[in-house]
Amino acid sequence: EADIYQTPRYLVIGTGKKITLECSQTMGHDKMYWYQQDPGMELHLIHYSYGVNSTEKGDLSSESTVSRIRTEHFPLTLESARPSHTSQYLCASTRDSSYNEQFFGPGTRLTVL
Amino acid sequence: QKEVEQNSGPLSVPEGAIASLNCTYSDRVSQSFFWYRQYSGKSPELIMSIYSNGDKEDGRFTAQLNKASQYVSLLIRDSQPSDSATYLCAVNSDSNYQLIWGAGTKLIIKP
Repeated sequence: EADIYQTPRYLVIGTGKKITLECSQTMGHDKMYWYQQDPGMELHLIHYSYGVNSTEKGDLSSESTVSRIRTEHFPLTLESARPSHTSQYLCASTRDSSYNEQFFGPGTRLTVL
Repeated sequence: QKEVEQNSGPLSVPEGAIASLNCTYSDRVSQSFFWYRQYSGKSPELIMSIYSNGDKEDGRFTAQLNKASQYVSLLIRDSQPSDSATYLCAVNSDSNYQLIWGAGTKLIIKP
């Protein structure tokens, strides 16, 4: 099972601020993912990475950006937060590319005022 | 478009009974199937993986896969109030390293 960490766990911030949500995993997994989920709603993939220097956008259009400079680190950045960005952001990684068994971090609940 | 379908529920089951959750998928070449449990406000937790036709048992949980009919199910025996959660079905898409997610079934276990 993956050890995957996200910080902060909760964030309340004003409109227009730049924020970075951190995600780190200690298992050396190549593939990492960012999902967005509103309360009671389904998961939406917003970004993914297959390895260092590899990043792709997911199915859900997002104004966020990601980077993958190190295998263990996959931060997500919002240059200018808006109330529409209020949501839960979940980071996941997978240990086995053939089966794609994904493990999730605890999530970051973002509220933009 | 590849899809995973689940009944949204809520599915209400008496404590001690068997809860049966179902999931159908559209991509015939899918090879990996997962059940996640998600408590309100928490992140999804992987509880079962299944890769071949038939049943796979783990404690009170049994996953069943039928590739010919393109469905996967999860049985929870001796249901407990702590099993109350949303259960997400996910299917691996062979065309890339992404999971196709169902919308989830909300399960309520009544004491």
